[in-house]
Amino acid sequence: HSVLTQPPSASGTPGQRATLSCSGSSSNIGNNPVNWYQQLPGTAPKLLLYNYNQRPSGVPDRFSGSKSGTSASLAISGLQSEDEAGYYCAAWDDSLNAWVFGGGTKLTVL
Amino acid sequence: QLHLQESGPGLVKPSETLSLTCTVSGGSFNSRTYYWGWIRQPPGKGLEWIASFYYSGSTYYNPSLKSRVTIFVDTSKNQFSLNLNSVTATDTAVYYCARQRVGSDGFFDNWGQGTLVTVSS
Repeated sequence: HSVLTQPPSASGTPGQRATLSCSGSSSNIGNNPVNWYQQLPGTAPKLLLYNYNQRPSGVPDRFSGSKSGTSASLAISGLQSEDEAGYYCAAWDDSLNAWVFGGGTKLTVL
Repeated sequence: QLHLQESGPGLVKPSETLSLTCTVSGGSFNSRTYYWGWIRQPPGKGLEWIASFYYSGSTYYNPSLKSRVTIFVDTSKNQFSLNLNSVTATDTAVYYCARQRVGSDGFFDNWGQGTLVTVSS
């Protein structure tokens, strides 16, 4: 079981807004920044957002992040077929002294 | 343009040692801004951080794997290596090397393509 909890799947239609959740605890999300990674099928993960809502160069502003308490969310507006991928949240865990990841959410664009 | 490439055997026998090397091009280990790390992903499953090291030589490990992991660095070749001993089938995974930003956010911003290691007799 992953320390950070993500729903295994989500779906949306082109143009819609999708919101993916990541639930943790006070020792990780509640006290430390959250990063998000996108993994297209058969490829390595790619940094999508860091420090909750900062976008690396090249990431469209359709992707945004937020945090509330011990949970974080990734929002994707104007869904496109190319957004079909796995999405992983990650944070440092003060209790485990380790970087921890969520189990990932597979997003399907119908 | 930074590029990371993993290399090593794709098949390891149970109880033996898994050894992988990451070759870095287009960048240097001697940066105060970055760690260099290993992450793995069992087939169809999520990501697991293994270890990260800093150019000064300090290394930090996932406590769940620490007893079995060693990181080696060869700065002359711009390479760093992972040894994971006493492997079992649960160590079967795609292993990635990656660059990690120093700081509380510690994001991995550049990844290798990954290499699949299967543990089987």
